[in-house]
Amino acid sequence: AQSVTQPDIHITVSEGASLELRCNYSYGATPYLFWYVQSPGQGLQLLLKYFSGDTLVQGIKGFEAEFKRSQSSFNLRKPSVHWSDAAEYFCAVGPYSGAGSYQLTFGKGTKLSVIP
Amino acid sequence: EPEVTQTPSHQVTQMGQEVILRCVPISNHLYFYWYRQILGQKVEFLVSFYNNEISEKSEIFDDQFSVERPDGSNFTLKIRSTKLEDSAMYFCASSPGTGGLQPQHFGDGTRLSIL
Repeated sequence: AQSVTQPDIHITVSEGASLELRCNYSYGATPYLFWYVQSPGQGLQLLLKYFSGDTLVQGIKGFEAEFKRSQSSFNLRKPSVHWSDAAEYFCAVGPYSGAGSYQLTFGKGTKLSVIP
Repeated sequence: EPEVTQTPSHQVTQMGQEVILRCVPISNHLYFYWYRQILGQKVEFLVSFYNNEISEKSEIFDDQFSVERPDGSNFTLKIRSTKLEDSAMYFCASSPGTGGLQPQHFGDGTRLSIL
């Protein structure tokens, strides 16, 4: 069965500092990988996705993520954090089934706090 | 940008009562989903729906749960006899039907509180 591990429950960074949120997945084949962000009282907003091809993917709000098959990782990065980035971040994996319908498996999330 | 909308934002219900959560997926999307997030826990898949049928469901989605697309725009989740452990945030999502595997777009959720 597929699974996602986000080792960091809570991270605090200063505004302007760089950020890396870790994500490790377990899946028997090539996965589809996603990062979602959830601001308080809001739904899940897609930041970026990896399906195939270039292992470094760019997303919205200046975020990027790198797929490393050898490490089963899909870490999220941002070079300079803004106070508005404070939120909870979820890594998710979906199966490469080729079908249009698929279930996502989420990690437990990493809560990001930003110090002004 | 089109979005998934969910109503109500917060639902309070007595244990044992039926509850219906409503969702309006993005209009040209063909695949619909429900997920739930119990406070402090992971977001968990409940069910996927396509072409007026359930495509896949998790073990959480037992006989107390049902989904329906009553018209061309709404997608509902019904819990027949609610339990305390059904208290959670319920998210609806949708994805397009063409162009290969597409990401799911989520609504803001309905917070369900069972008393």
